[in-house]
Amino acid sequence: KQEVTQIPAALSVPEGENLVLNCSFTDSAIYNLQWFRQDPGKGLTSLLLIQSSQREQTSGRLNASLDKSSGRSTLYIAASQPGDSATYLCAVSPYGNNRLAFGKGNQVVVIP
Amino acid sequence: GAVVSQHPSRVICKSGTSVKIECRSLDFQATTMFWYRQFPKQSLMLMATSNEGSKATYEQGVEKDKFLINHASLTLSTLTVTSAHPEDSSFYICSAHGPQETQYFGPGTRLLVL
Repeated sequence: KQEVTQIPAALSVPEGENLVLNCSFTDSAIYNLQWFRQDPGKGLTSLLLIQSSQREQTSGRLNASLDKSSGRSTLYIAASQPGDSATYLCAVSPYGNNRLAFGKGNQVVVIP
Repeated sequence: GAVVSQHPSRVICKSGTSVKIECRSLDFQATTMFWYRQFPKQSLMLMATSNEGSKATYEQGVEKDKFLINHASLTLSTLTVTSAHPEDSSFYICSAHGPQETQYFGPGTRLLVL
């Protein structure tokens, strides 16, 4: 069974600092990995999707890397802003279906 | 962009009643939709995979008679929590498999059973 772990569970940073969020998964036989953002009491917004053949994806201030063999992904958020405060969820999809396995999330607070 | 809606956004009901939650893909067709449950400070747990025109596939430990899923069209899946109890109180989120091999998530439904 795929286990997804996210570290740290929670962090607070001053505005302007770079954020580094880590995700690890136990089964490297994945089809893709996604990072999502979730605001309190809300649904999920997809941030980045990395296919298993890719090493990284970038969108604006966000960059996600994937090391499939070691079962790790890192989400970098450059020059953090208070609006980045949210929970960031990592999810992996196995080959053959789309049943996502989620981590518990990294809860981020960016202090103005 | 691909949009998924859920209705209602919040529901409070008495113990023993049944509650229906709708999940709609607004601008794309989805042969497959997914239902998740999320408890506070916990990750999303997949409950079942909803397939248009066929029976849903439930995850281990999820009671199919308790959580009835119907996927009658390519844009609508419903989850009915039957004989709800306080322990069913949770945040229920659906997703639809859409364009670019991405799952698009609904805004979620907060269920509180008194």
